[in-house]
Amino acid sequence: AQKITQTQPGMFVQEKEAVTLDCTYDTSDQSYGLFWYKQPSSGEMIFLIYQGSYDEQNATEGRYSLNFQKARKSANLVISASQLGDSAMYFCAMRPMNRDDKIIFGKGTRLHILP
Amino acid sequence: NAGVTQTPKFRILKIGQSMTLQCAQDMNHNYMYWYRQDPGMGLKLIYYSVGAGITDKGEVPNGYNVSRSTTEDFPLRLELAAPSQTSVYFCASGGSSQPQHFGDGTRLSIL
Repeated sequence: AQKITQTQPGMFVQEKEAVTLDCTYDTSDQSYGLFWYKQPSSGEMIFLIYQGSYDEQNATEGRYSLNFQKARKSANLVISASQLGDSAMYFCAMRPMNRDDKIIFGKGTRLHILP
Repeated sequence: NAGVTQTPKFRILKIGQSMTLQCAQDMNHNYMYWYRQDPGMGLKLIYYSVGAGITDKGEVPNGYNVSRSTTEDFPLRLELAAPSQTSVYFCASGGSSQPQHFGDGTRLSIL
């Protein structure tokens, strides 16, 4: 069975520091995709970054990067130079690519950026 | 391009009433999903669909029904509303290797 684990229910980080949000996953699929989403207090779900299991390089999108370690089954989100607007809930998610199945989400990490 | 459209945005129901939450997407995505999110919690998958005519249960399907007669629409039906179904409901759609696009959510209160 597939599973996503986010072990940090909450984090407090000083503004302008880098922050790493942990995500580990369990799957028997060889081909899968990993996603990170941001949910601010306004409630909408915002897609941040995607990593395919066969991608050789770690994904980056502006200040977001994904530290993908396939052997360790981890897909940590790194936010560089954090901003007050980064305060939000962050969800890691995974979906198999070669078969029709659902995407599964972790329980999320609430990030607080301190001024 | 509207993306994923959910209606209504807010609704208050009495216990035992029924209603349908509407979800439509205009991106020709095969995959569509319904989630519920209780306050301070993560997303729980209610039902999902991998294409028109195909639906499957998620983690918390009890008390809900879905149908997928077209690629675009994926309505969620509550037959006998219960206070435990008070939540925010999100619909999402996606392609096989693409991220999910979420609707803005429906805030539902059962009183």
